Amino acid sequence: EPEVTQTPSHQVTQMGQEVILRCVPISNHLYFYWYRQILGQKVEFLVSFYNNEISEKSEIFDDQFSVERPDGSNFTLKIRSTKLEDSAMYFCASSDPYRSYEQYFGPGTRLTVT
Amino acid sequence: DAKTTQPNSMESNEEEPVHLPCNHSTISGTDYIHWYRQLPSQGPEYVIHGLTSNVNNRMASLAIAEDRKSSTLILHRATLRDAAVYYCILRDDQTGANNLFFGTGTRLTVIP
Repeated sequence: EPEVTQTPSHQVTQMGQEVILRCVPISNHLYFYWYRQILGQKVEFLVSFYNNEISEKSEIFDDQFSVERPDGSNFTLKIRSTKLEDSAMYFCASSDPYRSYEQYFGPGTRLTVT
Repeated sequence: DAKTTQPNSMESNEEEPVHLPCNHSTISGTDYIHWYRQLPSQGPEYVIHGLTSNVNNRMASLAIAEDRKSSTLILHRATLRDAAVYYCILRDDQTGANNLFFGTGTRLTVIP
């Protein structure tokens, strides 16, 4: 069964550094999403992306965050200057335009900011 | 997005049916009811969704009240692998906004 993959599985970075989290969505999917989950808390929506542009973003997704689909397979989340409170599990998801009710989530990248 | 209310936790014995309730008294006419689950140390996983009629798939059944103000996710035979946090989410699928807004969900413990 096709799956969403994410790299790295764990990223440790120092406060103020830039990080890029990478995702490979399922190949025929056209909707892409990023969510995050701070340890012990609920999953929070960050941003959705369709047709090479942001569809919606939450108030969490401020100017420090950006997303990109640099080629036909990758979908990235960049955090320009990480803060301690950015430490979380980041999940990428994708969905098929004809079955958009079903989002497929990746295994996540655990980001630790020290 | 309309809010949902779920019990914080439930327990079930292995191989018995599980009924996970969800209240959504402020649901609007175009809100679909989605259920996702999150197994330990994994990303969320789609389970089922519906609008008005009861729905069945290979994973579960979804029973929707006639007034749509509540719904129940039914796992017919709980296995240890079904231990997870189950989220009931309302989403207006007709607006094109596909984002999911997760609550705190119900943590299901399956007892062997």
